[in-house]
Amino acid sequence: SAVISQKPSRDICQRGTSLTIQCQVDSQVTMMFWYRQQPGQSLTLIATANQGSEATYESGFVIDKFPISRPNLTFSTLTVSNMSPEDSSIYLCSATRGLGTEQYFGPGTRLTVT
Amino acid sequence: KQEVTQIPAALSVPEGENLVLNCSFTDSAIYNLQWFRQDPGKGLTSLLLIQSSQREQTSGRLNASLDKSSGRSTLYIAASQPGDSATYLCAVRPPGNTPLVFGKGTRLSVIA
Repeated sequence: SAVISQKPSRDICQRGTSLTIQCQVDSQVTMMFWYRQQPGQSLTLIATANQGSEATYESGFVIDKFPISRPNLTFSTLTVSNMSPEDSSIYLCSATRGLGTEQYFGPGTRLTVT
Repeated sequence: KQEVTQIPAALSVPEGENLVLNCSFTDSAIYNLQWFRQDPGKGLTSLLLIQSSQREQTSGRLNASLDKSSGRSTLYIAASQPGDSATYLCAVRPPGNTPLVFGKGTRLSVIA
């Protein structure tokens, strides 16, 4: 298994500011992902974090709004830029060691934008 | 495009009852299927992973089955307990280097 931690666990931010969320995995993984979960909804994939190259974004998500870094096989960051109240969500980091293996999730970061 | 549907959306049962959660997917070409549990305001906990070549997986009181040809999976929970109350999510992995596709989940309440 893999244990994933996220920092911060929650934050309240003002409109127009940015927040960087950190994701740390306790062992090397192949793929890392960032998801958003809005209240009462299922998960929406934001992007796949690629080591050493630009992240692969899903439709509706852009790098300027959600820049992602992945400097090595165990760490990634997601920045939520120029925040608005619509960005209030839980942001989840996820990882897997390969397509045939389990995918694991972090505890989430609960973001509230006022 | 792969779509995953979970029925029912919500379920309330008395403690001790056996129950079945359903998951269906539109494209039978999947790599594997994973069941997760999510407690309110928390991340997802992986429960069971079934590879496309497998028919079922068991862990404790949980048993998940997979019928790939009909695009269906079930999660069976035996002797339900109040601690089982959570949202259960089903997700499939399409072929290739592609992310999981999630259903919207079944919200389970087990009443003591």
